[in-house]
Order: sequence, then C-alpha cells, then structure tokens
Amino acid sequence: DQQVKQNSPSLSVQEGRISILNCDYTNSMFDYFLWYKKYPAEGPTFLISISSIKDKNEDGRFTVFLNKSAKHLSLHIVPSQPGDSAVYFCAASATVSYSGGGADGLTFGKGTHLIIQP
Amino acid sequence: NAGVTQTPKFQVLKTGQSMTLQCAQDMNHEYMSWYRQDPGMGLRLIHYSVGAGITDQGEVPNGYNVSRSTTEDFPLRLLSAAPSQTSVYFCASSYPAGAGELFFGEGSRLTVL
Repeated sequence: DQQVKQNSPSLSVQEGRISILNCDYTNSMFDYFLWYKKYPAEGPTFLISISSIKDKNEDGRFTVFLNKSAKHLSLHIVPSQPGDSAVYFCAASATVSYSGGGADGLTFGKGTHLIIQP
Repeated sequence: NAGVTQTPKFQVLKTGQSMTLQCAQDMNHEYMSWYRQDPGMGLRLIHYSVGAGITDQGEVPNGYNVSRSTTEDFPLRLLSAAPSQTSVYFCASSYPAGAGELFFGEGSRLTVL
C-alpha cells in the first residue's frame, strides 16, 4: 500500500514558466513533509520542507503548499530553469514515530522526472 | 567537507556471494539509514539506526544485515546476494535522531548476476 503517491512519472515545462509537482499521502499520522531533488548518478539532496502546522513554506523560487484536509502537497518552482531538470521525490514522516525511538524513516513517493525545455 | 561517504560506488557480484557496502558520515549524526532505489519504486528503507549499538528494520530488510558500532559508520551486509538485490543503494544520516532532513551519500550501484 503506497502511503505517498506521486502520480506523474514525468513533467515537461518550458523554461521561465511555473513547474507544479504534486504529491498525495494516505497516512493521517504524517506531519512533516519534504521534497528532495536528485540528479543522475548523485544522491538525493534536500530541497524544502513543511510542517503540518503550516500550509505554505517558501524558499526563493521554491514554494511548498500543504492541504491537510485533502492530504495533498505541491511544489511550485517559479521561474523554472534548465538546472531544475531532475527527479523530485516527495517524502513524509510521522514525528511521533521517531521521537519515541521507533523511527520508521522517511516514506518516499516514486518520484517525478521534471524536464525543463529551453 | 565529506558529509556521507559510500564505498564502493559500483560492484558486480555473483549470486550467493557476500559483500559489505560501507557508509561513513562526519557530521556526528545520530540517525543513519540505508535505502534502495529501484526503477519505478522510489526509495525504500532497508535498515536504520538511531544511535551506536541500536539498529532496526525498515520496509525491505530481508537479505540484509547492519550493525552500528560507532556513530560514524553504518555498514550494510549482503550475506548471500540474489539478483533481486540488484539496485542502487543510498546511505543517509540526520541529526537529531529521526527522519527529518536526511543527508544522502552518492549511492552504490550493485549488480548481482
């Protein structure tokens, strides 16, 4: 049972336009969400996160929106640049699980391959 | 500024062989973990450790062993490799203990023939 879903395996966006990557989750215990970016032959790198007490977090060109009632989050990249071409992973955790020592780690989606067209 | 270092980067094994993937971090992180990445499957947690001497299983632990004798090192052992273990393996660490912002190594690509 997939608890974190990224339903778009790939997304193509023109340079300068907005990229919107979507993520849905099913576990109501998740309260911390992260986006990771991965280039080929490299490890994932942290991009941005959001706690469930917020509905928006912004960092430069990257903004993450959280809709708890819909169990949905999205990553907006504005404007999109060629260097943004990568695979983006949505991840979630339930802080209660690791604060008690029973860390289940992050649950990742399958990723979305973002391609920025020049 | 090394961060998380994984060795080897590439390895080819025959079915039944054993090997150890090494992982070391120099950030004094309590939490370390191993993930595998397979096409169309995302990243799946194999084993994790919340501190030296403490390890536990993740989502896909079968066929793998781990130990955590020091804060810095978290090796992943394959006792008898199988073709199903062909994958890219990532070690990750974070502080404080838990699943917050993970720092990943560059990955180890393993092929089992």
